[in-house]
Amino acid sequence: TQLLEQSPQFLSIQEGENLTVYCNSSSVFSSLQWYRQEPGEGPVLLVTVVTGGEVKKLKRLTFQFGDARKDSSLHITAAQTGDTGLYLCAGARDYGQNFVFGPGTRLSVLP
Amino acid sequence: NAGVTQTPKFRILKIGQSMTLQCTQDMNHNYMYWYRQDPGMGLKLIYYSVGAGITDKGEVPNGYNVSRSTTEDFPLRLELAAPSQTSVYFCASSYYRSLGQGHQPQHFGDGTRLSIL
Repeated sequence: TQLLEQSPQFLSIQEGENLTVYCNSSSVFSSLQWYRQEPGEGPVLLVTVVTGGEVKKLKRLTFQFGDARKDSSLHITAAQTGDTGLYLCAGARDYGQNFVFGPGTRLSVLP
Repeated sequence: NAGVTQTPKFRILKIGQSMTLQCTQDMNHNYMYWYRQDPGMGLKLIYYSVGAGITDKGEVPNGYNVSRSTTEDFPLRLELAAPSQTSVYFCASSYYRSLGQGHQPQHFGDGTRLSIL
């Protein structure tokens, strides 16, 4: 069983649409990170959230950390083809512990 | 600035062969990690190192070995390759995580795609 679950597993949308992907766990995390991975490359960090209820924005991407620090969401407004990729969440349960990665959501934005 | 460099990019091995996956970073990061990525399974931590001369097991260490003789290099060794080790391997590095700094971002290489037949 995965410590972190991500949904949906796959998502295909048209350019200009909005979307939300989710990262869920039964465990509490001290911090949670979101990465994007493009084909043939390693993951690249998008954001780190550490406070329950925290909201961070990165241009058209909005990240929210759940109040109980067990879940997180990533919302993309007006998706672009350049948003295509695998979105991974990773959580650390305590400070100093290594991150555990979820299985990812594979997003395809069609022109 | 090269960041994290992994070699080779692709490799095919026969069952029972051995090989070393190379990883080097030029950012003076003290933390380094090895992950494997299988379809639909995310990244699983194999081994990590908090500094030269110090290594520790991650979630899936069986069948692998590592060493960290310098800050820059963190090679991963497969001694007796098995089909279950077919995967994409990623090396990553990050700065020291001191109290108050929070978790530092990991910088990943572009991966080594390994097939064992």
